[in-house]
Amino acid sequence: GIQVEQSPPDLILQEGANSTLRCNFSDSVNNLQWFHQNPWGQLINLFYIPSGTKQNGRLSATTVATERYSLLYISSSQTTDSGVYFCAVSGSARQLTFGSGTQLTVLP
Amino acid sequence: SAVISQKPSRDICQRGTSLTIQCQVDSQVTMMFWYRQQPGQSLTLIATANQGSEATYESGFVIDKFPISRPNLTFSTLTVSNMSPEDSSIYLCSARGQWDTEAFFGQGTRLTVV
Repeated sequence: GIQVEQSPPDLILQEGANSTLRCNFSDSVNNLQWFHQNPWGQLINLFYIPSGTKQNGRLSATTVATERYSLLYISSSQTTDSGVYFCAVSGSARQLTFGSGTQLTVLP
Repeated sequence: SAVISQKPSRDICQRGTSLTIQCQVDSQVTMMFWYRQQPGQSLTLIATANQGSEATYESGFVIDKFPISRPNLTFSTLTVSNMSPEDSSIYLCSARGQWDTEAFFGQGTRLTVV
């Protein structure tokens, strides 16, 4: 099956800083999603982005499908951005395969 | 988008007992899935819930331990049977429509087995 690698595994920022999270995948995909898991365990959909670039407020994402990677950008980070960020992909199979996540901590 | 209601949101259970988790989607969807997230880990697929037929299980998961039902297009249940402390995890239901559309998740069930 498809392998998904996320980096960095942990990231600590001061409030107001910018950050870039990376997701590499091992095969062609037809779905790529970014999620934020809050402290209560709920997965929040951030982006559905199998290719191209999208922006939503302070967050943006870019997927370069031909080179098998995606980037999630967080600008002007806030303490409420803390949590785990997951990248997940699917190929010919319909289910999502998740990366190991990036634990983000934003300090006040 | 799809709104997925999952219950219970959390439970503390005695070892040896079973718990059934319910997942209700607000619209008809093609695919429904169950995932497990062990403490500090990522999400792992347990099985694909198939309407009106047996679920398709991933390697390492068996029907006797995790029986799944999906009687219609919008509802599914996952039972965690004969529980042990190793089953303490968050269990999440997911759904998506046709043609590789976006997947959505329920709020999860945080299970603690004592």
